[in-house]
Amino acid sequence: AQSVTQPDIHITVSEGASLELRCNYSYGATPYLFWYVQSPGQGLQLLLKYFSGDTLVQGIKGFEAEFKRSQSSFNLRKPSVHWSDAAEYFCAVGHYTGRRALTFGSGTRLQVQP
Amino acid sequence: DAGVIQSPRHEVTEMGQEVTLRCKPISGHDYLFWYRQTMMRGLELLIYFNNNVPIDDSGMPEDRFSAKMPNASFSTLKIQPSEPRDSAVYFCASSLKGPTDTQYFGPGTRLTVL
Repeated sequence: AQSVTQPDIHITVSEGASLELRCNYSYGATPYLFWYVQSPGQGLQLLLKYFSGDTLVQGIKGFEAEFKRSQSSFNLRKPSVHWSDAAEYFCAVGHYTGRRALTFGSGTRLQVQP
Repeated sequence: DAGVIQSPRHEVTEMGQEVTLRCKPISGHDYLFWYRQTMMRGLELLIYFNNNVPIDDSGMPEDRFSAKMPNASFSTLKIQPSEPRDSAVYFCASSLKGPTDTQYFGPGTRLTVL
């Protein structure tokens, strides 16, 4: 069964600092991997996704993520955080056949200090 | 496009009452998903539809929950009878090609069962 672990429940960074959010997955084959962001009081929005090819994926809002098969990881990064990035971030894994639904991690809440 | 529309945005009801949540997916999207989000359990998929047909309802908690999609532009999630443990935020999402395609989330319905 597929599963996703986000080890950090809550992270605080200063505005302008770099950010890395961790995601580890468990899956028997090459997974489809996603990062979604949820701003307070809103639904989730897709930041980026990895299906195949280049292991470094660029997304919206200046985010990127790197797929590392050897570490079963798909960490999200941003070189310089803005106050508007404060939100909850969810990693998700999906099956390549597409029939099975996504499995979401428990989320990491990001707080940005001025 | 207006995005995924959910109603009501907030619902407060008493234990034992019937609750109906509504969702209008993005026009042209063939897939519709219902999720539940709580602090304890995170984001859980309840059920998803393809072309109005339920594909995976393994996440539906129990017989008190039912979901229908009578046409391509409308779906309901019904809880009867409601219980305090059903209190959560319920999200509807839609996608064009399937679970691993980008899912567009609605703003959610915050349900409180007293």
